[in-house]
Amino acid sequence: AQSVTQLGSHVSVSEGALVLLRCNYSSSVPPYLFWYVQYPNQGLQLLLKYTTGATLVKGINGFEAEFKKSETSFHLTKPSAHMSDAAEYFCAVSVLDMRFGAGTRLTVKP
Amino acid sequence: DGGITQSPKYLFRKEGQNVTLSCEQNLNHDAMYWYRQDPGQGLRLIYYSQIVNDFQKGDIAEGYSVSREKKESFPLTVTSAQKNPTAFYLCASSTQPGSSGVSYEQYFGPGTRLTVT
Repeated sequence: AQSVTQLGSHVSVSEGALVLLRCNYSSSVPPYLFWYVQYPNQGLQLLLKYTTGATLVKGINGFEAEFKKSETSFHLTKPSAHMSDAAEYFCAVSVLDMRFGAGTRLTVKP
Repeated sequence: DGGITQSPKYLFRKEGQNVTLSCEQNLNHDAMYWYRQDPGQGLRLIYYSQIVNDFQKGDIAEGYSVSREKKESFPLTVTSAQKNPTAFYLCASSTQPGSSGVSYEQYFGPGTRLTVT
């Protein structure tokens, strides 16, 4: 069965700094990979997804992620953090069903 | 405007009472899901349905029940048998898995926060 691990339950960055949220997965077959964002008391919103093809995936709000098969990773990055990026971020892996990581809470300091 | 609606946003119940959470979608999706979210635990799957009149238990189905009488609707009942019902509940939907069997992205509703005292 597939699984996903998000390294770091809390990440804090300064406004304008690089955002790096880490996600590693395990799967015996090529998976689909997703990043979702959740603002307080709201549902999850899809940021970006990898299915096949180009390994560097661009999403909404300036985020991108790179699928690295050799490292079984799908880390989320954004070059310059904005205050509005403060939220919880979930990585998910999908084979026959979808599995979510435990989430990483991003704090952005002014 | 296509999307998923969940009602109510906040729900309060006394211990021992059953309560039903509503989930409706107009995305024409075949598959629908219910998740429970607790702080620091991510999302845990309660039930899912891939077609009308059929549903399967997820990882934490005990104390919950569902029905899928219409494609658009997938209500969740939290029964008195659920030992710790206070949580944030999320409903989601997606298209059917592709021919390879891999599931596509899920679209989420705004959630219902249930408090049982």
